Amino acid sequence: ETGVTQSPTHLIKTRGQQVTLRCSSQSGHNTVSWYQQALGQGPQFIFQYYREEENGRGNFPPRFSGLQFPNYSSELNVNALELDDSALYLCASSLVGTSSYEQYFGPGTRLTVT
Amino acid sequence: GQSLEQPSEVTAVEGAIVQINCTYQTSGFYGLSWYQQHDGGAPTFLSYNALDGLEETGRFSSFLSRSDSYGYLLLQELQMKDSASYFCAVSEAAGNKLTFGGGTRVLVKP
Repeated sequence: ETGVTQSPTHLIKTRGQQVTLRCSSQSGHNTVSWYQQALGQGPQFIFQYYREEENGRGNFPPRFSGLQFPNYSSELNVNALELDDSALYLCASSLVGTSSYEQYFGPGTRLTVT
Repeated sequence: GQSLEQPSEVTAVEGAIVQINCTYQTSGFYGLSWYQQHDGGAPTFLSYNALDGLEETGRFSSFLSRSDSYGYLLLQELQMKDSASYFCAVSEAAGNKLTFGGGTRVLVKP
């Protein structure tokens, strides 16, 4: 059983650019959630995808968008990058539809916007 | 709005017991989770409470009082490897989004 993986590990972008982050879910999981974690703070929920449909969204602007693919992998896209977007981006997979409550986090992508 | 409050930092010595409190105000409540995160690492699941009472998992225990909107994580027999940040998080439904607290940094000293 493979765990949650994310790519790339680190990324440096310039303000105004666009970025795509990728996540592969844990085997057998059907749900992916994305979180943004600023330094020294708790993760903040961005959105969740269940069976390729958005299933809940946090307080993030529309320039944050995502996709989930049939194999349950996922992408997070951020357009028009701002300096405040610099953070660790975490994805977490889970199995919705059972009594499971645990989310399995990937190692994250550290995004720096200059 | 939703908010979770927990202390920002706790320091203790090896072998000691530490209790991290968490109070929450959320629009919905399904359960309270606890996650551990080492510097540079991913959050990892520690414990979950959906009903009032104490859940014990080895050296770690978690407690929930739904009527008080309060929970705590108890770390016993502290080890150096327990130095990390600990987050409480509320879930509104099974597998649903987690709303995290700001985290408690635990520093274990020899």
